[in-house]
Amino acid sequence: DAGVTQSPTHLIKTRGQHVTLRCSPISGHKSVSWYQQVLGQGPQFIFQYYEKEERGRGNFPDRFSARQFPNYSSELNVNALLLGDSALYLCASSLSDRGTYSNQPQHFGDGTRLSIL
Amino acid sequence: ELKVEQNPLFLSMQEGKNYTIYCNYSTTSDRLYWYRQDPGKSLESLFVLLSNGAVKQEGRLMASLDTKARLSTLHITAAVHDLSATYFCAVELYGQNFVFGPGTRLSVLP
Repeated sequence: DAGVTQSPTHLIKTRGQHVTLRCSPISGHKSVSWYQQVLGQGPQFIFQYYEKEERGRGNFPDRFSARQFPNYSSELNVNALLLGDSALYLCASSLSDRGTYSNQPQHFGDGTRLSIL
Repeated sequence: ELKVEQNPLFLSMQEGKNYTIYCNYSTTSDRLYWYRQDPGKSLESLFVLLSNGAVKQEGRLMASLDTKARLSTLHITAAVHDLSATYFCAVELYGQNFVFGPGTRLSVLP
């Protein structure tokens, strides 16, 4: 079975531009989360979506937005890119339902490495 | 705001030795996850701990959770080079939000 797939794998942008990152979850997984991982640090939670609804948002500015499609794939958009947005962006999917806790491990994709010049 | 700390942040150990990585968190939770990340790779789920006193073992790794102490441990037995990686703990909060620790970078030397 295919795991979580993300595209593109690498991306180079300049300050002020915008970017769209894409994620396809494991088949049957309805929950998708996005994380930002700066080099040498742990992943920081950005968004979680379930059944096309935003269920959680981390402490990120409004320049960051996301959405989930009927096929459960997801996009992360970042506007007005800053140098500090350079990071590995990870997408994770899980079998969690609408419950308050997932009780499930998240399955991570290989990430998109975004570099801002 | 929940804080998740790991100790140590860097660990260099010889093959065959035992060691423990500690994960402390600052708020009540009884759901804790351990992940492994190899350089340049994504995160791989190792353990899911869902109650106080939970203990899980896989090969040379054993994880436990003490919710009263807000502490989880990842114990390594007779380390081998293949265990070299960065290990993250993550606490799950209400609403399926996960907070990750900073990671422990483990190097197992021959």
